[in-house]
Amino acid sequence: KQEVTQIPAALSVPEGENLVLNCSFTDSAIYNLQWFRQDPGKGLTSLLLIQSSQREQTSGRLNASLDKSSGRSTLYIAASQPGDSATYLCAVDSWGKLQFGAGTQVVVTP
Amino acid sequence: EAGVAQSPRYKIIEKRQSVAFWCNPISGHATLYWYQQILGQGPKLLIQFQNNGVVDDSQLPKDRFSAERLKGVDSTLKIQPAKLEDSAVYLCASSLTASGYTFGSGTRLTVV
Repeated sequence: KQEVTQIPAALSVPEGENLVLNCSFTDSAIYNLQWFRQDPGKGLTSLLLIQSSQREQTSGRLNASLDKSSGRSTLYIAASQPGDSATYLCAVDSWGKLQFGAGTQVVVTP
Repeated sequence: EAGVAQSPRYKIIEKRQSVAFWCNPISGHATLYWYQQILGQGPKLLIQFQNNGVVDDSQLPKDRFSAERLKGVDSTLKIQPAKLEDSAVYLCASSLTASGYTFGSGTRLTVV
């Protein structure tokens, strides 16, 4: 059974600092890994999708890496802004089923 | 491309009452999912449809939850009777193979 863990559970950084969010999974047989952002009381917004054959994806200030062999993905957010405050969830697609971690709650202070 | 539409956005009911949520996926997405997200946790899959057939409902509490997908498009999730522990955000998502998942804004259910 696929298990997804996100560390840390919460993170507070001053504006301008780089953010590093970690995700680990137990079964390396995955189709893809997706990072989502969730604002309080809202749905999920897709940030980056990494196919199993890829090593990383980039979009603006966001960069996500994937190491299937070690069961890890890292989301980097450069030069954080207060608007980046949200919960970030990683989800692994295994056999057509999306398994989520519990998320990392991020607060960026001005 | 229009996103995944869900309604209502919020619902407050008393325990033992019934409630229904509606989802309209992205046009052409054959696969539709309902997830339950309890506060502080990641979403948990309740049921997965492929067109109008159920692929996986192993985590759906079938004594009180039911779901259907009419003509392989819209879907409805129902809870009857509701319990306090059903308070959560109910998320609908749809996908096209290997292209990732698109989620709706969710319905926040509070059972009092």
